[in-house]
Amino acid sequence: EIVLTQSPATLSLSPGERATLSCRASQSVSSYLAWYQQKPGQAPRLLIYDASNRATGIPARFSGSGSGTDFTLTISSLEPEDFAVYYCQQRSNWPHTFGQGTKLEIK
Amino acid sequence: QITLKESGPTLVKPTQTLTLTCTFSGFSLSTSGVGVGWIRQPPGKALEWLALIYWNDDKRYSPSLKSRLTITKDTSKNQVVLTMTNMDPVDTATYYCAHITIFGVVSNWFDPWGQGTLVTVSS
Repeated sequence: EIVLTQSPATLSLSPGERATLSCRASQSVSSYLAWYQQKPGQAPRLLIYDASNRATGIPARFSGSGSGTDFTLTISSLEPEDFAVYYCQQRSNWPHTFGQGTKLEIK
Repeated sequence: QITLKESGPTLVKPTQTLTLTCTFSGFSLSTSGVGVGWIRQPPGKALEWLALIYWNDDKRYSPSLKSRLTITKDTSKNQVVLTMTNMDPVDTATYYCAHITIFGVVSNWFDPWGQGTLVTVSS
C-alpha cells in the first residue's frame, strides 16, 4: 500500500499570502495524484487531478505540480474561503490511498 | 448534474453489520467506464478509501478491511450498497460515496461526492 505523507500538518497564513502544501509518496505514483479541499461539515471537493490539472470551476490561484514521489499544491494568493483542510490521493496502486491532510488556518 | 446521497442507520451496536446505500442521479452504472466508491472519515481524522465498484461489476476493496466489506450495485435502482460486518467503535465515522469514471478527462478520481452520513458504533 502506498503511503502519502502531507506536510505541514497545519499551515497558518494570512489572506493574500501564498500557500505551499506538500505531499510525498512512499513510492512513485507517476502523475496519478489529486488534491481535494474539505471545509468543515462538507464533503471533499476535487481541486487538482493528475498532479497539475484544475477540476471544473476551480480558480486559477490553485495550481499543482510534481511527479513521481513529490507533489505540491500552491495557492497563489489566499482568499478567506480557502482556509480548509487539503488532502492528496493517489490512484497509481490499489487501494487508492489518501494522505493525512494539511489544515490551512488563518493566522 | 450528478448527485449522490448516502443513507443508512446512524447508530449500530458493536458486532452488528452495517448496511449503507448510495442513491445517485445524473449517471447510470450500466454506462461503460462508470463507478461508485466509498470513503470514510472518523471524526477529526483523515479520509480512508474503502471500496469501489465499476459498471462491469469489477470490485476493489481496501486490503485491511476486505474481509469485512461487500460492495454491490443495483443498476435498475441507481444504487450502490456497502455492507461492513462486525462493527466496532473504531468504525465510527462519516461514510461518503462518490462518482468515478475511467473515461474522459477526469479519469478515476472521485468527483463529485455525496454529503456523507455519520455512523456511530456504540452499545
